[in-house]
Amino acid sequence: NAGVTQTPKFQVLKTGQSMTLQCAQDMNHEYMSWYRQDPGMGLRLIHYSVGAGITDQGEVPNGYNVSRSTTEDFPLRLLSAAPSQTSVYFCASSYSTGSSSTDTQYFGPGTRLTVL
Amino acid sequence: QKEVEQDPGPLSVPEGAIVSLNCTYSNSAFQYFMWYRQYSRKGPELLMYTYSSGNKEDGRFTAQVDKSSKYISLFIRDSQPSDSATYLCAMSYDNYGQNFVFGPGTRLSVLP
Repeated sequence: NAGVTQTPKFQVLKTGQSMTLQCAQDMNHEYMSWYRQDPGMGLRLIHYSVGAGITDQGEVPNGYNVSRSTTEDFPLRLLSAAPSQTSVYFCASSYSTGSSSTDTQYFGPGTRLTVL
Repeated sequence: QKEVEQDPGPLSVPEGAIVSLNCTYSNSAFQYFMWYRQYSRKGPELLMYTYSSGNKEDGRFTAQVDKSSKYISLFIRDSQPSDSATYLCAMSYDNYGQNFVFGPGTRLSVLP
């Protein structure tokens, strides 16, 4: 299993550009989520999905869109990039929405995004 | 006041030392507590998961929850250079992933 994969690893955008961060998992997990990680802030939830066709907003959804057309893929779209969106973005997946010692969120390696 | 606080470090210790990492929180409804380890340029991975108060041990790692003080700890015994990473605490009141609140992390360096 490849686990959770994210592309690209690094990206530089200019203000106003749009782009899509890709996330895929091959573990047949129902729950997927996107976080951003900023220094001193901890991981903050952007959007999440409890299954194909179902998405919802997290703590910091403004400026981002998601869709979940398949169980495997959960892309994150930046509509019009702003310098405040410079961050490291992590995608995560788990079998269910809950967590336990054996069912936890698996995180991808992250995408480092810089917006100039 | 942030909902979950951690000393950001960096914390440097010699190999073999006992390490104590801590988080404080303000929401008394939290009852699910987790510790994640994050190596540089990698995603977090779950290290310990506990429910409610008490201790949980797994090898060299012990997680401790004191709900009365709103304080959780992660102890690492016989620390190794491979333990050098950032340690994030996370907690939730209902165990649903979308409600996890993460601390900012403590960076640990174990020196050989």
